[in-house]
Amino acid sequence: DGGITQSPKYLFRKEGQNVTLSCEQNLNHDAMYWYRQDPGQGLRLIYYSQIVNDFQKGDIAEGYSVSREKKESFPLTVTSAQKNPTAFYLCASSIGSGGPLNEQFFGPGTRLTVL
Amino acid sequence: AQKITQTQPGMFVQEKEAVTLDCTYDTSDQSYGLFWYKQPSSGEMIFLIYQGSYDEQNATEGRYSLNFQKARKSANLVISASQLGDSAMYFCAMREGPRGGFKTIFGAGTRLFVKA
Repeated sequence: DGGITQSPKYLFRKEGQNVTLSCEQNLNHDAMYWYRQDPGQGLRLIYYSQIVNDFQKGDIAEGYSVSREKKESFPLTVTSAQKNPTAFYLCASSIGSGGPLNEQFFGPGTRLTVL
Repeated sequence: AQKITQTQPGMFVQEKEAVTLDCTYDTSDQSYGLFWYKQPSSGEMIFLIYQGSYDEQNATEGRYSLNFQKARKSANLVISASQLGDSAMYFCAMREGPRGGFKTIFGAGTRLFVKA
């Protein structure tokens, strides 16, 4: 079955620690995205990547970093510089990013809690 | 300025009745796409329906239809014959063209409660 997997489903971290959230897709999609969702809110774009070895900042990139070394993988690192990292993180992918018609497919999400 | 506005934080509907969830948008692009997603309590985002800015007919997908009024910049979701399983958060989203950097912007969402 094709789809997007995110791991872990729940993640706890102590203040001051970096943590990496995994996102893998086997849909052969070129574009991948990371969103943050706070309770009762919509999704905000953290980073996106249109192609391997290239990525751009979204609206709330501060305190986060990404890499795109493989087409299938787009891990997100939440660094200690992120002041309020407790949130629900969603990864998505689409066939391409160069057009308005490209529907995004989402993973199941990772719920990060900072203790 | 808000690019996607969903003015209804919460909505109630009786089972088997129809419900309309409102969405207005703002863009200067001529080419854009409008999407609706459903998010159950599990957190996954489920794609429901899509409308392109150049599509002349309103999109329909089973019990879902999108009431697209381009001049008014609105893209309301209509759910017919509501079911208990429709209780969830619903997000309207817009994917802009070149001027918007091909990014997808989400509204704040509407929580729908279906009553038995």
